[in-house]
Amino acid sequence: AQSVTQLGSHVSVSEGALVLLRCNYSSSVPPYLFWYVQYPNQGLQLLLKYTSAATLVKGINGFEAEFKKSETSFHLTKPSAHMSDAAEYFCAVSVRGNKLVFGAGTILRVKS
Amino acid sequence: KAGVTQTPRYLIKTRGQQVTLSCSPISGHRSVSWYQQTPGQGLQFLFEYFSETQRNKGNFPGRFSGRQFSNSRSEMNVSTLELGDSALYLCASSFRDHTDTQYFGPGTRLTVL
Repeated sequence: AQSVTQLGSHVSVSEGALVLLRCNYSSSVPPYLFWYVQYPNQGLQLLLKYTSAATLVKGINGFEAEFKKSETSFHLTKPSAHMSDAAEYFCAVSVRGNKLVFGAGTILRVKS
Repeated sequence: KAGVTQTPRYLIKTRGQQVTLSCSPISGHRSVSWYQQTPGQGLQFLFEYFSETQRNKGNFPGRFSGRQFSNSRSEMNVSTLELGDSALYLCASSFRDHTDTQYFGPGTRLTVL
């Protein structure tokens, strides 16, 4: 069964520093991978989606993710963190039956 | 285009009661999925409907049920509520299948006392 592992339940960075959130997946077929962000008391907002068209995927708010098949990874990065990036981030893989399998989430804290 | 809407946003129920949550998908989307989010278990898939038919179901007891109407709107029902059913229930809509992006609503926060 497909699964997603997010390394680090909490990540803390300084404002202006690089953001790196890690995601590894297991999938027996080419995956459809997603990153979502959740702000307190809100639903999930799509950041970006991997569809095999390109290994480097650009998303909203300056985020991007690189698909590495050899490492089964899909890490999320942003060159310079803003205070408004503080939220919880979820990596997910979409499987047949239109089901998203989520990682446990990573809470990003941005220090001023 | 309007996003996914969910009603109500907040609910407080007592054990043993039942509850119905509603979800209106993005116009043109025919698939609606439901997820439960709790601090302990994270985000878990409940079920998915497409063209009024349940196509997939997660590992939840039969107390959790759903349906979809001809206009793609969906409802989920939880009967005989338990304390452990307290959660954020999220609805997501997509165009057709797992190759499409799922867009989420704001969720319904259910508290069971």
